[in-house]
Amino acid sequence: DIQMTQSPSTLSASVGDRVTITCRASQSISSWLAWYQQKPGKAPKLLIYKASSLESGVPSRFSGSGSGTEFTLTISSLQPDDFATYYCQQYNSNPGTFGQGTKLEIK
Amino acid sequence: QVQLVESGGGLVKPGGSLRLSCAASGFTFSDYYMSWIRQAPGKGLEWVSYISSSSSYTNYADSVKGRFTISRDNAKNSLYLQMNSLRAEDTAVYYCARDWVGWFDPWGQGTLVTVSS
Repeated sequence: DIQMTQSPSTLSASVGDRVTITCRASQSISSWLAWYQQKPGKAPKLLIYKASSLESGVPSRFSGSGSGTEFTLTISSLQPDDFATYYCQQYNSNPGTFGQGTKLEIK
Repeated sequence: QVQLVESGGGLVKPGGSLRLSCAASGFTFSDYYMSWIRQAPGKGLEWVSYISSSSSYTNYADSVKGRFTISRDNAKNSLYLQMNSLRAEDTAVYYCARDWVGWFDPWGQGTLVTVSS
């Protein structure tokens, strides 16, 4: 199975900050990567697919980049609603595997 | 709007069985692959199983292979997960999700399965 590793595991930031979360794959996954946002007690919500394609309805402050084995999720200007846990997921090969998550906390 | 609603979770003893259901609405259910994904308490996400639109193809995580069976009824817009020989490590919130043969969107609200004596 392809292993996905996110960093950092926890990130403290303030409203208005620009933040970046990194996801690394144990082998090349081309651009077959998605990002999800999960709030406590809620289901994950798709933000980005194919590494950089923004899901309809997701604010443009979210962006994704990368290919191969290294990917980033960037939030350009943090809003109060963005404090949550973020997961990357590869779908280059079965089984699709998730990163361990990055918890974005209010500083 | 697109909606997925899971049901059937609960408390079950080790070795027991449970059948989860997922009712879909707001889209042509028979056109899409569907998946089950789980999340143990306080932990990350683990894909469990998928089924193709016509039920021709299924696949399972190694952790559940031989114990869980995914199925669907396109006439009833419903997805199922039959879980047998349950173990403590199967305790999790189970989500159904529309599977775009890659990413998952949307997800249901989840149903909690607790395996404990």
